[in-house]
Amino acid sequence: EVQLSESGGRLVQPGESLRLSCAASGFIFSRHAMSWVRQAPGKGLEWISAISGNAGSAYDADSVKGRFTISRDNSKSRLYLQMKSLRAEDTAVYYCVKDRNPLLRGVTYNFDSWGQGTLVTVSS
Amino acid sequence: DIQMTQSPSSLSASVGDRVTITCRASQDISNYLNWYQQKPGKAPHLLVYAASNLESGVPSRFSGTGSGTDFTLTIASLQPEDFATYYCQQSYSRPVTFGQGTKLDIK
Repeated sequence: EVQLSESGGRLVQPGESLRLSCAASGFIFSRHAMSWVRQAPGKGLEWISAISGNAGSAYDADSVKGRFTISRDNSKSRLYLQMKSLRAEDTAVYYCVKDRNPLLRGVTYNFDSWGQGTLVTVSS
Repeated sequence: DIQMTQSPSSLSASVGDRVTITCRASQDISNYLNWYQQKPGKAPHLLVYAASNLESGVPSRFSGTGSGTDFTLTIASLQPEDFATYYCQQSYSRPVTFGQGTKLDIK
């Protein structure tokens, strides 16, 4: 059974940094691209970052480009999101999501498994 | 960016009803369209991928159709556990984008 478990979310002040982590199990982690998708309170879903299975390619939404960095450690089956210069509008539940199809390079963006989410609150 | 527009934004229906939710893309996305269900306080759950392919374990009362710019998700006979919010998502080009959601509640 696929399991994704996020951690690291907490209350931070504007301008601070935070690193989210996602522990994956139940599938061959290195064969699947992974993404982060967030959801602001009471709002819809927003894709923010993706990384290919071999970590050779990474992609970011404009809203986080230059501030957030996605990375992965395939030896530990872990996905990360380093967030810097956090803003109030970054307040959201952050989901770790798995690509449905195994693909060494590239990302298909068909999200078949989601973690339970971790809440990041940016407020002074 | 490709805009995804769902209609209606909210919908009231009864158990046993047939329900259709539509999703329109701002440009041709072929069949690169997924549907998700989200219940309050829970993560989204993939229902349909590539416009018409039912994800494993999803009940057959769910179906997806469409290509190009217009897509539909149909629930043939609503069950109590189907009351939730539904999102479409295009995987045709980055940034991938979601519709604003359709909240389905009990009439």
